[in-house]
Amino acid sequence: KQEVTQIPAALSVPEGENLVLNCSFTDSAIYNLQWFRQDPGKGLTSLLLIQSSQREQTSGRLNASLDKSSGRSTLYIAASQPGDSATYLCAVMGFQKLVFGTGTRLLVSP
Amino acid sequence: EADIYQTPRYLVIGTGKKITLECSQTMGHDKMYWYQQDPGMELHLIHYSYGVNSTEKGDLSSESTVSRIRTEHFPLTLESARPSHTSQYLCASSEYLLAGPTDTQYFGPGTRLTVL
Repeated sequence: KQEVTQIPAALSVPEGENLVLNCSFTDSAIYNLQWFRQDPGKGLTSLLLIQSSQREQTSGRLNASLDKSSGRSTLYIAASQPGDSATYLCAVMGFQKLVFGTGTRLLVSP
Repeated sequence: EADIYQTPRYLVIGTGKKITLECSQTMGHDKMYWYQQDPGMELHLIHYSYGVNSTEKGDLSSESTVSRIRTEHFPLTLESARPSHTSQYLCASSEYLLAGPTDTQYFGPGTRLTVL
């Protein structure tokens, strides 16, 4: 059974810092890995999707990497801003189903 | 950008009531999903559908039922709500690619259900 773990569970940084969120999964037989953002009381917004054959994806200040063999992914956020404050979820796509981690709650203070 | 809608956004009801949570999407996506998320916990898949007249149970056992009569509509029903059903319910959709599940899932805003 696939299990997804995210570390740290919560992170508080001052504005402008670069930061890394970690995601690990137990079963390397995945089709893709997605990073989502969830704001309080709202749904999920897809940030980046990395196919199993890819090593990384970039979108603006976000960069996600995938090491399928070791079961790890990182989300790098450059020059963090208060608007980045949210919960970040990692999810892996196995056969037909996404399995989510519990998320990292990020707070960026001005 | 995918458009996927859920109503109501918030619902507080008494035990024993029958409720239906609505989910609709305008992207023509074949595949739709329902997830349940308790506060501070991960999302769990409770139902999914490959297309019209297709429904499957997810990883987490749920007393809810779903139907898929139209491509754009995937409602979730609880025949008799209980306090244990209090949770957030998130609907999602994606294109169904025969080559494999490599597509992005787009999520609705969620319904926060409280059963008293």
